[in-house]
Amino acid sequence: AQSVTQPDIHITVSEGASLELRCNYSYGATPYLFWYVQSPGQGLQLLLKYFSGDTLVQGIKGFEAEFKRSQSSFNLRKPSVHWSDAAEYFCAVGTYSGGGADGLTFGKGTHLIIQP
Amino acid sequence: DGGITQSPKYLFRKEGQNVTLSCEQNLNHDAMYWYRQDPGQGLRLIYYSQIVNDFQKGDIAEGYSVSREKKESFPLTVTSAQKNPTAFYLCASSLGGQHKGELFFGEGSRLTVL
Repeated sequence: AQSVTQPDIHITVSEGASLELRCNYSYGATPYLFWYVQSPGQGLQLLLKYFSGDTLVQGIKGFEAEFKRSQSSFNLRKPSVHWSDAAEYFCAVGTYSGGGADGLTFGKGTHLIIQP
Repeated sequence: DGGITQSPKYLFRKEGQNVTLSCEQNLNHDAMYWYRQDPGQGLRLIYYSQIVNDFQKGDIAEGYSVSREKKESFPLTVTSAQKNPTAFYLCASSLGGQHKGELFFGEGSRLTVL
């Protein structure tokens, strides 16, 4: 069965510093990978996705992620964080059967705290 | 504007009562999903539906029921059999079929059992 691991429950970063959130997945087939962000009490917003091709994908809000098949990883990065980036971040892998999309399997999330 | 509407945003229930959460989408998506979110647990799939009049159990379906009578609507009923129903519930949709696309989420419904 597929699974997603986000090793860091909380991460604290100073405003203006760089950020890397880790994500490792387990999936038997070609993975379709996603990063979502959630503000408190809100739904999830897609930051970026990887389906195939270039392993470095660009997303919204200045985020990027790199797919590394050999490490089963899809880490999220941002060169300089802003206070508004404080949120919960979720990595997910898509699962698909012959009938279509079965949904996404999510990691447990990483809570990002921004220090002034 | 196209999107997913969940209602109510907050709901309180007494133990032993069933409650139904509404989810409506106007994105013309075929597939719809219900997830449950608990602190530190991420999102767990309750039920999903790839087409009208058909749905499948997810990882934690016990104590929940759904219907998909219309393409736009996918209501979730939390029954009295659900032992720990207090949680944040998220509805989502996707193009479905062979489209391996992302899920679009509603704003969520927070259920509290008193």
